[in-house]
Amino acid sequence: QKEVEQDPGPLSVPEGAIVSLNCTYSNSAFQYFMWYRQYSRKGPELLMYTYSSGNKEDGRFTAQVDKSSKYISLFIRDSQPSDSATYLCAMSAEGFQKLVFGTGTRLLVSP
Amino acid sequence: GAGVSQSPRYKVAKRGQDVALRCDPISGHVSLFWYQQALGQGPEFLTYFQNEAQLDKSGLPSDRFFAERPEGSVSTLKIQRTQQEDSAVYLCASSLTGAPGNTIYFGEGSWLTVV
Repeated sequence: QKEVEQDPGPLSVPEGAIVSLNCTYSNSAFQYFMWYRQYSRKGPELLMYTYSSGNKEDGRFTAQVDKSSKYISLFIRDSQPSDSATYLCAMSAEGFQKLVFGTGTRLLVSP
Repeated sequence: GAGVSQSPRYKVAKRGQDVALRCDPISGHVSLFWYQQALGQGPEFLTYFQNEAQLDKSGLPSDRFFAERPEGSVSTLKIQRTQQEDSAVYLCASSLTGAPGNTIYFGEGSWLTVV
């Protein structure tokens, strides 16, 4: 079993929908949690970073971490076709030196 | 340059060939990382440098994989006697210090296909 589990999708939604992306993990030592966006044939791009439990909001994006359940989420409000990409969760136990990624969820937002 | 630059972008190697993948991190970035991303998977950690020191190489899959960063800037990932299972995208990333909160910037990757 992988340390980080993520549904690969694809997840198809109409423009304007609220999108919910999730990851579960097994390593209780993880305390840094990130969401990356990866467009086709591009490198991952950091969207959100959260330390320990709690919520963080940035524009249309909200990240939630529930360490008691070992569950993290990314919400995208008012989704746009330009949000169509693969979304990767990543986490680490000690700083950012060694990130453990999920497999990524492919999101398709149709106009 | 403005971002992390990797070359070659695409490489086709015959099984058994040696390959070298180059990474130019963002100027001034102390920390440099290599990740391997197989098709349909998330990136997997290979190795990490702080300046020229290789502090963690626990992710290198075999002794055929070797990475160096001799002057603390450009890094090279070398794969000897390539095998088909080495086919993947090799991502290089850099950050200012590697401390929590410092954004890690990824390059676009070197796509390796072993035939």
